[in-house]
Amino acid sequence: QMTQSPSSLSASVGDRVTITCRASRSISNYLNWYQQKPGKAPKLLIYAASSLQSGVPSRFSGSGFGTDFTLTISSLQPEDFATYYCQQNYHTLRTFGQGTKVEIK
Amino acid sequence: EVQLVESGGGLVKPGGSLRLSCAASGFTFSTYSMNWVRQGPGKGLEWVSSLDYSSSYIYYADSVKGRFTISRDNTKNSLYLQMNSLRAEDTAIYYCARETGDSAMENAFDIWGQGTMVTVSS
Repeated sequence: QMTQSPSSLSASVGDRVTITCRASRSISNYLNWYQQKPGKAPKLLIYAASSLQSGVPSRFSGSGFGTDFTLTISSLQPEDFATYYCQQNYHTLRTFGQGTKVEIK
Repeated sequence: EVQLVESGGGLVKPGGSLRLSCAASGFTFSTYSMNWVRQGPGKGLEWVSSLDYSSSYIYYADSVKGRFTISRDNTKNSLYLQMNSLRAEDTAIYYCARETGDSAMENAFDIWGQGTMVTVSS
């Protein structure tokens, strides 16, 4: 089971934003992050906990190992307001976190 | 262009069946594992099922096991989801997603379709 926190947050353009994902048991670094905008399919941002997917801006970064992981947006941009999901691929039954909605303050 | 296009969604009564399709183009479909992921109205993402490139390894979420069947036809570059005994809680947008990665650790869903809506209601 994957638990994200917070469920939602309000932030301003330029803010540093951190989202946390916790696994119920160790998943090494088999952890991915996705961004989803309303009415759109999810988009892969980070794989293997800290590797940036091709084409994703460098303001996005990921870290963590074992059970605790973070997604950081170093300077929030207008296009970053979206919902973010973590997903584990350690177990064959893939699971997503419940999502974190990033809203405009 | 690398692309996945889902089809087959619609309105179905509880207990009914539906078959979703996902057409792949722009990449060598037969070498990738594929997945179905769904999203209920106003809800988060829920992984549904996956199968490897040769259909040798197939997995289902507990919520659909025994009712849904995933399959693929590599000659037609297509992925399928046969959904039987549908329930109201199966109402969702269903996405197909390609799974990529040079190693198991790097496996991730890098290409997604636009989704197809399934509504289960009487």
